[in-house]
Amino acid sequence: EAAVTQSPRNKVTVTGGNVTLSCRQTNSHNYMYWYRQDTGHGLRLIHYSYGAGNLQIGDVPDGYKATRTTQEDFFLLLELASPSQTSLYFCASSGTANSDYTFGSGTRLLVI
Amino acid sequence: KTQVEQSPQSLVVRQGENCVLQCNYSVTPDNHLRWFKQDTGKGLVSLTVLVHENDKTSNGRYSATLDKDAKHSTLHITATLLDDTATYICVVGDRGSALGRLHFGAGTQLIVIP
Repeated sequence: EAAVTQSPRNKVTVTGGNVTLSCRQTNSHNYMYWYRQDTGHGLRLIHYSYGAGNLQIGDVPDGYKATRTTQEDFFLLLELASPSQTSLYFCASSGTANSDYTFGSGTRLLVI
Repeated sequence: KTQVEQSPQSLVVRQGENCVLQCNYSVTPDNHLRWFKQDTGKGLVSLTVLVHENDKTSNGRYSATLDKDAKHSTLHITATLLDDTATYICVVGDRGSALGRLHFGAGTQLIVIP
């Protein structure tokens, strides 16, 4: 079954720590996205990618890096985590920008 | 500035009742609009997509309308079930090309009680 799988499900790190969030999709989709979801806000786009090796900056990229190593795998990197990055992170994939999206189950990150 | 506004922010209904969720937006261009259901702590699941002026869609007990002139959409849920308890998110896509962006509302939290 086609899916988007995120890992870990939960993560706790200290301020200044190094965190990598992983996402793998088996939908054969070209597009992959990283969003963060905070109370009172809609999902906000951090980074996205059209395909392996491609990276596009989203709306709230500060403090985040991303890398698309393969068609299936998209990673979000926090090299110096800060408490403001405590959030629920979602990965998604789509065939095109206008087609249906498949979302992962989310990674809850706590930076203390 | 928030470009997608949803109302109400939260809503409590009794099982079996109908409810209506509203979405107003200022996104331009408005290529399409989607409604998603998000169970607590889970990912978003697409319920329906509306593309054309005055589109109406139906997906079981969920039905939706889109008025592009008014930049307004509604999601109707009929005969609610306890499993309908979730956050419903309105999302507007600003174009159909590879450069398209999605604009998310903050969601309406629906609670269905026995």
